[in-house]
Amino acid sequence: EAGVTQFPSHSVIEKGQTVTLRCDPISGHDNLYWYRRVMGKEIKFLLHFVKESKQDESGMPNNRFLAERTGGTYSTLKVQPAELEDSGVYFCASSQDTGWRTDTQYFGPGTRLTVL
Amino acid sequence: GQQLNQSPQSMFIQEGEDVSMNCTSSSIFNTWLWYKQDPGEGPVLLIALYKAGELTSNGRLTAQFGITRKDSFLNISASIPSDVGIYFCAGLSFAGGTSYGKLTFGQGTILTVHP
Repeated sequence: EAGVTQFPSHSVIEKGQTVTLRCDPISGHDNLYWYRRVMGKEIKFLLHFVKESKQDESGMPNNRFLAERTGGTYSTLKVQPAELEDSGVYFCASSQDTGWRTDTQYFGPGTRLTVL
Repeated sequence: GQQLNQSPQSMFIQEGEDVSMNCTSSSIFNTWLWYKQDPGEGPVLLIALYKAGELTSNGRLTAQFGITRKDSFLNISASIPSDVGIYFCAGLSFAGGTSYGKLTFGQGTILTVHP
C-alpha cells in the first residue's frame, strides 16, 4: 500500500511568488492534515480536512495560505504571495478515522520550501 | 496555545548506551505520542500512550504517560547506530473544543549515536 506522498520534495522561490504544494493521502483515509516545521522549532498544526470539508483551520498563519481538498482525495496548499518567514518543511499526514483514541497519523516525507 | 517543552534538544551518545528524553506541558493532554523522523522522511509513530500512568514498551523503547497528564518520557535502551534521528513528543487534547487529530508537538531531540 502506498504511503502519503508529497510533491514537490523541494521548492525554492523568491519572495512574492506563488507556490502550490500537493499531498496525496493514503487511499481511503478521510482525514488529511497539514503541518509545518520552521527550522529548529516544533512541528505546528495548520489545518485538518475530513473528506473535502475543513474541520479545523485554526493553525493557518494568515490569508496568504489557501488549502483545498476537492473531491476529498488529494489536497493542495497554496502560498500567495510567499514571504521569507514561510520557509520550512510542510508535512502532510492522513488517518483513517478519529475518535477517542488517536488513529495513527501517517506522515508524508514533507516539502522543503525555501523563500529567498 | 498549548506548548510542549521537550528536552534535551540534542544528545551525543556511544553505541550501547541508554537514552532518556522527556516532554512537559502546563496543559493536560489526553494522549501522548512519540515519533521518530529519519533524514528526508516524515515522522513515524513509535509509541502511543492513552492513560495517565501508562507504561508501554516497543522493543528497546519504553515510554510513560505521566500521572498528572502533563508529561511523558521516552527511554531507549542499548542504543544502536540506526537510532539516529529526531525524536518528537506529541500530545492530543480534547479540551476546549480542540478538534480530534490536532497534534501538538515538542521541539524535537536530535540523537546522534557514535559507533
